Amino acid sequence: DSGVTQTPKHLITATGQRVTLRCSPRSGDLSVYWYQQSLDQGLQFLIQYYNGEERAKGNILERFSAQQFPDLHSELNLSSLELGDSALYFCASSPRGLAGVSNEQYFGPGTRLTVT
Amino acid sequence: KNEVEQSPQNLTAQEGEFITINCSYSVGISALHWLQQHPGGGIVSLFMLSSGKKKHGRLIATINIQEKHSSLHITASHPRDSAVYICAVRNGVTDKLIFGTGTRLQVFP
Repeated sequence: DSGVTQTPKHLITATGQRVTLRCSPRSGDLSVYWYQQSLDQGLQFLIQYYNGEERAKGNILERFSAQQFPDLHSELNLSSLELGDSALYFCASSPRGLAGVSNEQYFGPGTRLTVT
Repeated sequence: KNEVEQSPQNLTAQEGEFITINCSYSVGISALHWLQQHPGGGIVSLFMLSSGKKKHGRLIATINIQEKHSSLHITASHPRDSAVYICAVRNGVTDKLIFGTGTRLQVFP
């Protein structure tokens, strides 16, 4: 158990809908990262938050947004869902995650999103 | 060409065999991670290294910064080692993780 929790575990929804994925980092970790793992693209970095502020952006679509709250949990919002958004969404946390300081990342169990 | 290449893509072994998985990258990095993903989907971080060699139980990871290459070795492999092993590098400029496509390992008794 990494100490990172994600809810829900599974989510099935229809095209055009909006969903929210939730992540609680390990106690004390300030950085949260979101990743998408699809069958055709593999694992891809989406976005990072550090202590409530957006730190880095990866291949995140405009239909997707995220935020990190004062209690450090994070939510990833996916809207106008398309079939191609079906994937495993992981969050990870690390103690710092500041530029130039490499930290171990601890992965949550993932949320499996199926868009029908 | 992908910035992170892993080989082989698939690997089968008999229990007890010595396993090597290779990772080559083309960008400047600040660290390299080896991850393990089990069939259920969960990801576990095995190693994070920026130089030299690290060992944890039957797992050994090495990195050669000059050659931009890392290897993950599993000694005395066991069926429970069956998983996908993913190499990920932290880009030294953007600080983002870039993932390889993974190596699927199956160890048979």
